[in-house]
Amino acid sequence: DAMVIQNPRYQVTQFGKPVTLSCSQTLNHNVMYWYQQKSSQAPKLLFHYYDKDFNNEADTPDNFQSRRPNTSFCFLDIRSPGLGDAAMYLCATSPRGLSYNEQFFGPGTRLTVL
Amino acid sequence: QKEVEQNSGPLSVPEGAIASLNCTYSDRVSQSFFWYRQYSGKSPELIMFIYSNGDKEDGRFTAQLNKASQYVSLLIRDSQPSDSATYRCAAPRRSQGNLIFGKGTKLSVKP
Repeated sequence: DAMVIQNPRYQVTQFGKPVTLSCSQTLNHNVMYWYQQKSSQAPKLLFHYYDKDFNNEADTPDNFQSRRPNTSFCFLDIRSPGLGDAAMYLCATSPRGLSYNEQFFGPGTRLTVL
Repeated sequence: QKEVEQNSGPLSVPEGAIASLNCTYSDRVSQSFFWYRQYSGKSPELIMFIYSNGDKEDGRFTAQLNKASQYVSLLIRDSQPSDSATYRCAAPRRSQGNLIFGKGTKLSVKP
């Protein structure tokens, strides 16, 4: 089945220790997104790629970086995680770039920062 | 006015009743609307989308869009305990196209 896969599902890291979250998709969608979601809040868009074009949200901290080496894979790097970065990180894909319709979400990675 | 506004609830309905979830929106979003369901600890799941004025039905779900009133709703007929979740409406921001999510309405269906 075509899908969005995130690894790991649960990640524990220490304060300040870099961590990388992974997303892959078999949908062949142009657009890939990274969201941060904290408890009881709406998903907050961090950045997205339209093919290889990177688009950063204005309020995304510099601590968050992303890479998309090919269509299928996208990575979220948190360079120095703080306690406030503990959240669910969601990857999503979309088949239509300009209209950004119908985003499909992966299962998420729950990040804990000790 | 926020781009997408949603009553955060919680909304509690008895099993078998109709649950009505509502959003209003501003001119800063495009008139394509998506309803996502999110179970606790899980990721959002797209359940309905609507682009045209009027009603769109899919099984027990009906999405309604009223462009004149800038109002979009989701009706769940014959509500089941398994429908208990947070429901968020979302629409693309006109200037960028990125989805803007409402705060979500937490629905609880009591057996």
